[in-house]
Amino acid sequence: ETGVTQSPTHLIKTRGQQVTLRCSSQSGHNTVSWYQQALGQGPQFIFQYYREEENGRGNFPPRFSGLQFPNYSSELNVNALELDDSALYLCASSLVGTEETQYFGPGTRLLVL
Amino acid sequence: AQSVTQLGSHVSVSEGALVLLRCNYSSSVPPYLFWYVQYPNQGLQLLLKYTSAATLVKGINGFEAEFKKSETSFHLTKPSAHMSDAAEYFCAVSAAPRDKLIFGAGTRLAVHP
Repeated sequence: ETGVTQSPTHLIKTRGQQVTLRCSSQSGHNTVSWYQQALGQGPQFIFQYYREEENGRGNFPPRFSGLQFPNYSSELNVNALELDDSALYLCASSLVGTEETQYFGPGTRLLVL
Repeated sequence: AQSVTQLGSHVSVSEGALVLLRCNYSSSVPPYLFWYVQYPNQGLQLLLKYTSAATLVKGINGFEAEFKKSETSFHLTKPSAHMSDAAEYFCAVSAAPRDKLIFGAGTRLAVHP
């Protein structure tokens, strides 16, 4: 158990819609990162939040946005969904003092039709 | 820039045989290196990590990995495979605490009776 939870577990949307994915980690985990894992591939870094501010972003368009809240929860928002956004979305958090180690949640599987 | 190459997208071993999963990395700075395991329809579980301490790193479930700077490798081994080891394994690298993880494409391990 990593103490990182994500909701929902599965989601089906249609092209053009918007989606919000949620992540919750334990006290002291002040860094949260989001990754996209397409089928058969390794996870790709979307962005990271540290102390509620964006702290790095991967090669994803601005329609991917996020938030981190004081209660160690986080959101990933995706606007104008495209078919290629279908993937497993993983949230990972790091504990103060061992920020190099990221602990992953179970993921949210998004299907865009 | 950092990158990870995992040699062999599929590896098949017999139960009780040695497991060897290969990972080579590229990094302009001393790296942090990780192995994660992913079971079907689940998130990533940390197996072990290298953070510039001992070059031979022991992880969970009997796995270990050796950091070889001269070969830029971080291969994962287990002396005796168990059926429950069947999963997808990912090698990842980062440059610093709170840096993004760069993942390899993964190696699917199959274990046969």
